[in-house]
Amino acid sequence: DVKVTQSSRYLVKRTGEKVFLECVQDMDHENMFWYRQDPGLGLRLIYFSYDVKMKEKGDIPEGYSVSREKKERFSLILESASTNQTSMYLCASSLTSGLSTDTQYFGPGTRLTVL
Amino acid sequence: DAKTTQPTSMDCAEGRAANLPCNHSTISGNEYVYWYRQIHSQGPQYIIHGLKNNETNEMASLIITEDRKSSTLILPHATLRDTAVYYCIVRPKKSGGGADGLTFGKGTHLIIQP
Repeated sequence: DVKVTQSSRYLVKRTGEKVFLECVQDMDHENMFWYRQDPGLGLRLIYFSYDVKMKEKGDIPEGYSVSREKKERFSLILESASTNQTSMYLCASSLTSGLSTDTQYFGPGTRLTVL
Repeated sequence: DAKTTQPTSMDCAEGRAANLPCNHSTISGNEYVYWYRQIHSQGPQYIIHGLKNNETNEMASLIITEDRKSSTLILPHATLRDTAVYYCIVRPKKSGGGADGLTFGKGTHLIIQP
């Protein structure tokens, strides 16, 4: 069974704190993604990675960084959390396949509140 | 990517088949139809995808019209746990792999009634 796990379901942090969100997948997928989801704004891509140590900016990378030191793990870092980063954060992974489809599998999400 | 149109909400009685329509009239020949769902406060869940043939898996069936301009997701025996927002999206076939982000529209809020 496909499995993407995220380190926390709920997290409360203070403005200015450094925040780490961890994501692990056990499917040997090359691609991993971080999204945030907000009411009325839908799903927005923050960063993705197509290989270890490789990363690409998504649509809204400002205020975030990522790290992929191992294939199965993709971390999202908020260097200095701000209240406008209060959101649901979703991690996903997909396989790079010669079949040319890229089904993404999501984790359960982390609801981050920044006070 | 081609745009999709879905009804905002639908009701279905528990135990009956839920049929969720999706229009994608501008779909191009290399685009797949994907369905995901999202139960409240959880991450999106992949359901099924197809190119032009009908597809079935343990969760659902996907019926794509011959002209590929619309499709229907069928949950054969809906249960209360199927209450969720269902998203229909189209994604291009990628040559040589690669990746990019998903974009969901507003989806259909399916409510299964006891």
